[in-house]
Amino acid sequence: ETGVTQSPTHLIKTRGQQVTLRCSSQSGHNTVSWYQQALGQGPQFIFQYYREEENGRGNFPPRFSGLQFPNYSSELNVNALELDDSALYLCASSFPSGRRGETQYFGPGTRLLVL
Amino acid sequence: AQKVTQAQTEISVVEKEDVTLDCVYETRDTTYYLFWYKQPPSGELVFLIRRNSFDEQNEISGRYSWNFQKSTSSFNFTITASQVVDSAVYFCALTNSGGYQKVTFGIGTKLQVIP
Repeated sequence: ETGVTQSPTHLIKTRGQQVTLRCSSQSGHNTVSWYQQALGQGPQFIFQYYREEENGRGNFPPRFSGLQFPNYSSELNVNALELDDSALYLCASSFPSGRRGETQYFGPGTRLLVL
Repeated sequence: AQKVTQAQTEISVVEKEDVTLDCVYETRDTTYYLFWYKQPPSGELVFLIRRNSFDEQNEISGRYSWNFQKSTSSFNFTITASQVVDSAVYFCALTNSGGYQKVTFGIGTKLQVIP
């Protein structure tokens, strides 16, 4: 196990609702990244947080937002849910940010189903 | 732009056979890092190996080995004497060149080892 935890494990929402997913990083890791993995696809980078600030973002609309807290845990918020948001959401932690090539360690993911 | 191609979407082998998973990457960077992750049915991505662009030495870890060739932009993964527990989806991945660490994943290769 990596020490990265995510909650909840599963979630069912309806279109238009809002959702918050949570992640606790591995001890000593100050960087958290979020990925979306649709069925049968590879993970897609959403954004990364370092020391409570977003320092990188992939091709996701603004309704995907996040937070990082002083203890380096993080939240992913998705507003106005769409059917295509149904996916496995993965959180990964690493240390330190800015150093390319640092290995990211992943949590077990949250499976979101939007009906 | 970065890209990772895993041309084999699904592979089936009989237990104890050797199997090679192919990975071809594209990047404009001279310094980059490559990874392999394993994703069992539970969903959690398990880190297997990291390789930087300056180190073309092949690596062996137990039944796993990796062949990195910059000349062909390939980073292939071989499992020797496959076992049923090796059944999973395997992802090849590449880092970006920005100040933050975004990992670009391939689509994954689903490996089924038949007893």
